[in-house]
Amino acid sequence: SQTIHQWPATLVQPVGSPLSLECTVEGTSNPNLYWYRQAAGRGLQLLFYSVGIGQISSEVPQNLSASRPQDRQFILSSKKLLLSDSGFYLCAWTRPLKTGELFFGEGSRLTVL
Amino acid sequence: KQEVTQIPAALSVPEGENLVLNCSFTDSAIYNLQWFRQDPGKGLTSLLLIQSSQREQTSGRLNASLDKSSGRSTLYIAASQPGDSATYLCAALYNFNKFYFGSGTKLNVKP
Repeated sequence: SQTIHQWPATLVQPVGSPLSLECTVEGTSNPNLYWYRQAAGRGLQLLFYSVGIGQISSEVPQNLSASRPQDRQFILSSKKLLLSDSGFYLCAWTRPLKTGELFFGEGSRLTVL
Repeated sequence: KQEVTQIPAALSVPEGENLVLNCSFTDSAIYNLQWFRQDPGKGLTSLLLIQSSQREQTSGRLNASLDKSSGRSTLYIAASQPGDSATYLCAALYNFNKFYFGSGTKLNVKP
């Protein structure tokens, strides 16, 4: 069976510090990978998605970047965090099909102080 | 522009009641419609996936329907229980890789 792991679960960082959130998927190959952000009381905002190693599509210009160094690994990064980067970050994956079901990780709660 | 709307934003019902959650989408050219459950501080758990060629899907006490022509999907929960309390989100898949989410309906089932 397929599983998705996301870490760390909780992170408190000062403004201006770097960020690295990691996500890995097990039990499948060549997944489509996604990073979403969920602000309090709001819907999910798609940040990045990837259809293969080194292939990253950015949906919203922002202070964040994403990388996919391996087939089943997706990393969300920032060089210098802003207060507005606080939120709940969710990694997700689908099989590489047009009508694939979307599966989410447990999320990472980021607080920037 | 594709938009997904969920009304109401919050719903409170007594235990045992049957209930319907609504999801509407502006563009009927969807590939699929997926319903999720989210508990506080947790990720989203997939409940039901309806392909564009299907009318409904069932899992236990849950039944989801899809009407592309009217741009609507509903999630029916039978005999609600306190454990059903959570936020329910729907997502429509349009172009390849583009999932559009509603803001969710927060459900509270009172014992």
